[in-house]
Amino acid sequence: GAVVSQHPSRVICKSGTSVKIECRSLDFQATTMFWYRQFPKQSLMLMATSNEGSKATYEQGVEKDKFLINHASLTLSTLTVTSAHPEDSSFYICSANDMGYEQYFGPGTRLTVT
Amino acid sequence: KNEVEQSPQNLTAQEGEFITINCSYSVGISALHWLQQHPGGGIVSLFMLSSGKKKHGRLIATINIQEKHSSLHITASHPRDSAVYICAVSDKIIFGKGTRLHILP
Repeated sequence: GAVVSQHPSRVICKSGTSVKIECRSLDFQATTMFWYRQFPKQSLMLMATSNEGSKATYEQGVEKDKFLINHASLTLSTLTVTSAHPEDSSFYICSANDMGYEQYFGPGTRLTVT
Repeated sequence: KNEVEQSPQNLTAQEGEFITINCSYSVGISALHWLQQHPGGGIVSLFMLSSGKKKHGRLIATINIQEKHSSLHITASHPRDSAVYICAVSDKIIFGKGTRLHILP
């Protein structure tokens, strides 16, 4: 079946630095990818919708200048957390749509900002 | 009221028991997903379904579109099934809050 990978699976960074998370669709082309965030003991929440070749659409309350999303190809979307702070520590997950209604989830990336 | 409701929130059972986790939704959907999240946080997609029933090993997922309800069943549960099980609906993905399952040996 279709597979979505994320890299890295875990990352620790210092406050003030930036960190990039990659989401790849391994055996299908994804015109749309989604990014989610999960705070401890809370539900997953959609952050933004990433469309190949165009600007991402951010959900209300998500800072587009802080969470930079690039979807440069049909198999890769990246989320860059800029000037990270400890409150950005979270679990970040992507999903990819294979041009139909099929939605495939990545395994997630745990970000810890110290 | 949340658009996707799961029940129960927490469930503890003995090894071998038959487990049922329920998901109700109030929006139109194209598909419903069941996800498993282990303590380390990693997400595994278990099922994606838009009608009927799917089975994979000891896991069975059903959906009733008319009633806007889905169930995830685990037969012959095992301690390694202990995890958080999350229901999500799409097009625009909306997640339930998850069901924390703990299977006792």
